[in-house]
Amino acid sequence: GDSVTQMEGPVTLSEEAFLTINCTYTATGYPSLFWYVQYPGEGLQLLLKATKADDKGSNKGFEATYRKETTSFHLEKGSVQVSDSAVYFCALKSTNAGKSTFGDGTTLTVKP
Amino acid sequence: EAGVAQSPRYKIIEKRQSVAFWCNPISGHATLYWYQQILGQGPKLLIQFQNNGVVDDSQLPKDRFSAERLKGVDSTLKIQPAKLEDSAVYLCASSSTGYGEQYFGPGTRLTVT
Repeated sequence: GDSVTQMEGPVTLSEEAFLTINCTYTATGYPSLFWYVQYPGEGLQLLLKATKADDKGSNKGFEATYRKETTSFHLEKGSVQVSDSAVYFCALKSTNAGKSTFGDGTTLTVKP
Repeated sequence: EAGVAQSPRYKIIEKRQSVAFWCNPISGHATLYWYQQILGQGPKLLIQFQNNGVVDDSQLPKDRFSAERLKGVDSTLKIQPAKLEDSAVYLCASSSTGYGEQYFGPGTRLTVT
């Protein structure tokens, strides 16, 4: 079946540091790929998405590129802020009835 | 636009008791999802509805879990009887189609003692 593997956390960075959170997936066909974020005390919300190979999703300074050849969708941000501290989830939606599969999440803490 | 509503927010029960969760999706959203999120893990899809029909329930433990979506709007998820390992946050989400962005509710934190 489908699966999503994220780099293990927690990740701790200083403000203005570069962020990469790795995500790789296993799925048949051409799934849509998503990054969701959960800020402290809040619910899950969509951060960005990409629906086909080589698409780049971007939002709030975060970017991720759909790489079919490496089955990856790594999340990056050039300069993190304290307000980016949250749990980040990589997810896919399969072409089979749109079934969703989530990774286990990566906790990011940004220190001033 | 109102978001996805869930109730209750917290529930504590003893093992072998029953419990029910309620979800009201965003108005007009045809697809509704129930997820189980165990501490330290990502959400696991339990069941997905398209209007009032079930699209996927392959990970729903059908011997104790049941869900329904009457009239293609609100949904309830029931556990009977509960086990200790059912302690988790139960998330409801909805989307306008089965392939688009999901909007999540705040979740119900269930503790089984």
